[in-house]
Amino acid sequence: DTGVSQNPRHKITKRGQNVTFRCDPISEHNRLYWYRQTLGQGPEFLTYFQNEAQLEKSRLLSDRFSAERPKGSFSTLEIQRTEQGDSAMYLCASSPRMEAFFGQGTRLTVV
Amino acid sequence: GENVEQHPSTLSVQEGDSAVIKCTYSDSASNYFPWYKQELGKGPQLIIDIRSNVGEKKDQRIAVTLNKTAKHFSLHITETQPEDSAVYFCAASRANNLFFGTGTRLTVIP
Repeated sequence: DTGVSQNPRHKITKRGQNVTFRCDPISEHNRLYWYRQTLGQGPEFLTYFQNEAQLEKSRLLSDRFSAERPKGSFSTLEIQRTEQGDSAMYLCASSPRMEAFFGQGTRLTVV
Repeated sequence: GENVEQHPSTLSVQEGDSAVIKCTYSDSASNYFPWYKQELGKGPQLIIDIRSNVGEKKDQRIAVTLNKTAKHFSLHITETQPEDSAVYFCAASRANNLFFGTGTRLTVIP
């Protein structure tokens, strides 16, 4: 499968713990996005990378959230001191230009 | 920022009938409009897209129309099949991110 890969698929964590998600984009796609989706809503933009440079961040991305894309390949999204409101599906997408192709997402549940 | 509204929120059609989902956007600078299909527990799947220099695009049973003046675009699915049942999202983009509508849950009744 050469699509966007996200790991883990599911994560349950206790409030206050840190979590990290990984995204492996489609090879040769230089653009990578992170989105968050809550039940019954469309995905909401979090951040965007072009190669290794993080070019845009949403106001939704509080200082507890950090994303990296070392070497312009895979990306990680870390949430520190998780809160119950962080429970959502975290989606990664990659793109060669304008078309964005999504992974299956990581469902985070904070208990 | 961009605001995308999508209607209806739910849609039920008989198998073989057509389904139409409509979206409006607020930012006249938006120039790319994709549609995604999302099945339960999966990520959104790109099914068709249209750019602002085109008024209509068709791919087999799926078509999308764009009216730039009115700032609205629509998804048309003809000859619907049970496997078309899913949540459909429209989106609009002018730069580096997509703004999504709230989704339409389509149910195709066999």
